Amino acid sequence: LAKTTQPISMDSYEGQEVNITCSHNNIATNDYITWYQQFPSQGPRFIIQGYKTKVTNEVASLFIPADRKSSTLSLPRVSLSDTAVYYCLVGVSHGSGNTGKLIFGQGTTLQVKP
Amino acid sequence: ETGVTQTPRHLVMGMTNKKSLKCEQHLGHNAMYWYKQSAKKPLELMFVYSLEERVENNSVPSRFSPECPNSSHLFLHLHTLQPEDSALYLCASSQDLRGASYEQYFGPGTRLTVT
Repeated sequence: LAKTTQPISMDSYEGQEVNITCSHNNIATNDYITWYQQFPSQGPRFIIQGYKTKVTNEVASLFIPADRKSSTLSLPRVSLSDTAVYYCLVGVSHGSGNTGKLIFGQGTTLQVKP
Repeated sequence: ETGVTQTPRHLVMGMTNKKSLKCEQHLGHNAMYWYKQSAKKPLELMFVYSLEERVENNSVPSRFSPECPNSSHLFLHLHTLQPEDSALYLCASSQDLRGASYEQYFGPGTRLTVT
């Protein structure tokens, strides 16, 4: 199973760019990298997903180097409302079967200060 | 209603009670999930259903009993719970179970307190 490692917590200030890096040394060929955001007492929300190079949407960018052993979530100009837990996940394929599952780690608690 | 809804949002029950959590998805998805999130712990996957068939049970105690009558509804029946079962219970759905790339949509969760 691909395991992910990310910082437990990060602090930032409003208006700054935040980069959260995740390590996934055992990522499999067919695995995608997905990031979720979770506010207290709410379910996680999908932010972005990628396989390689760079992906950008209206919320964030995801940078994935060629070896795919890590990825970086970039949040441009954060605001107080971006204070949340951010999870890096690697999709797991079970061999020839179609059952995949997401394994959530501890996540990174981002605190945005005024 | 859109997305994934869960009821009730909050539940307090005694250890001898029987209660049920309900999840409904309005996305036309084929897979549904139950997760447990205890305080300061990662989300733990409990059950996975695909097309109303249970495909995964992650060693969950029998006091938790899931039911999926159709692809839009998922229940979690609770009986004789323990105080350590107090947690946020989250339901999620996804289009299907294609292994490597799929997005899960989560409901708001049910905050369960066992007294």
